[in-house]
Amino acid sequence: GNSVTQMEGPVTLSEEAFLTINCTYTATGYPSLFWYVQYPGEGLQLLLKATKADDKGSNKGFEATYRKETTSFHLEKGSVQVSDSAVYFCALWAGSYQLTFGKGTKLSVIP
Amino acid sequence: NAGVTQTPKFQVLKTGQSMTLQCAQDMNHNSMYWYRQDPGMGLRLIYYSASEGTTDKGEVPNGYNVSRLNKREFSLRLESAAPSQTSVYFCASRGVSTDTQYFGPGTRLTVL
Repeated sequence: GNSVTQMEGPVTLSEEAFLTINCTYTATGYPSLFWYVQYPGEGLQLLLKATKADDKGSNKGFEATYRKETTSFHLEKGSVQVSDSAVYFCALWAGSYQLTFGKGTKLSVIP
Repeated sequence: NAGVTQTPKFQVLKTGQSMTLQCAQDMNHNSMYWYRQDPGMGLRLIYYSASEGTTDKGEVPNGYNVSRLNKREFSLRLESAAPSQTSVYFCASRGVSTDTQYFGPGTRLTVL
């Protein structure tokens, strides 16, 4: 079956530090890959996505590249801000009825 | 454009009580979903509706029922609440020509 594994948190960084959250997946076929973000007390928002190998998704300074050879979709940001504090979920869509989510990584950014 | 709305935002129940969580979307999406979110577990699919008039079980359907009332609305019912159903519940919807799901703000349910 399909699965998503992302690095466990929590992750605590100082403002302006570099962020990487690792995500690897197992899926049949050619899934679409997503990063969702959940700010405190809110629902999930789509942060970025990529639909085929070597695509790079980007939004709000975050980037992730679809690497089929390593089955990975790592999330990166060059300089995090306090406002980036949230829970980040990696997910895949393999054409079936559901998204498959990782367990989430909580990021805290301190001034 | 409200997107996906959910009511109520918070609810406390006693064991054995029943309740219905409401979800509505105004994006003319065909597919709708109910998830639960538990610490360290990510999101798990409870039920989904691929189109108006159809519903199917997801990963964790036991103890829940759903109704796709029309294209806009998809409700989740707990007939006899149990403490194990304490969770945050999210509704989501998806259009026919996209792979992206859009989420509501969630309902935080506590069962005592």
